Amino acid sequence: EADIYQTPRYLVIGTGKKITLECSQTMGHDKMYWYQQDPGMELHLIHYSYGVNSTEKGDLSSESTVSRIRTEHFPLTLESARPSHTSQYLCASSERGHQETQYFGPGTRLLVL
Amino acid sequence: DQQVKQNSPSLSVQEGRISILNCDYTNSMFDYFLWYKKYPAEGPTFLISISSIKDKNEDGRFTVFLNKSAKHLSLHIVPSQPGDSAVYFCAADGGATNKLIFGTGTLLAVQP
Repeated sequence: EADIYQTPRYLVIGTGKKITLECSQTMGHDKMYWYQQDPGMELHLIHYSYGVNSTEKGDLSSESTVSRIRTEHFPLTLESARPSHTSQYLCASSERGHQETQYFGPGTRLLVL
Repeated sequence: DQQVKQNSPSLSVQEGRISILNCDYTNSMFDYFLWYKKYPAEGPTFLISISSIKDKNEDGRFTVFLNKSAKHLSLHIVPSQPGDSAVYFCAADGGATNKLIFGTGTLLAVQP
């Protein structure tokens, strides 16, 4: 099982603040992903990366940005938080290759007031 | 248009009985399917997967069945335990991109 960590676990913040959600994995996985999930809904892919200096937007449009400077680290940044950004953010990673299982971190639950 | 559908939002089962969770998909290009278990304030935990070249995969109490002609898969849990109570997500791998498409989940409640 992959070791993948997310901080903070919970965040309450005011509108207009800049926030960075951290995600790190210790398995040396090349691929990393960010998903967004609202209660009772499916997970939606918002960003993914196939390796260092590689980032792509996912299927769900998001105002967030990501970076991949190191293999193990894939932070997500919101420049100016809004109440519509309130959600659960889930980071995942997988090996390079076809039909590889994605392993998820514990998630960050964000509330923007 | 949802490509992966879990039509039962919830399921209640008695402890010791079988739980059957269902999932339908529309895209015949999907070739790898996964089931995840999720508690409300946590990330999804991988349970079991199946490749499209198989029709069954078993791991302990969990078995996944794949019917490609019907574009349907199911997760069987037997015997069900109270600790199995959680939301179960079905996911399909879209192919070369390794992007997962998730269903909306089924809330399983196992009654003692």
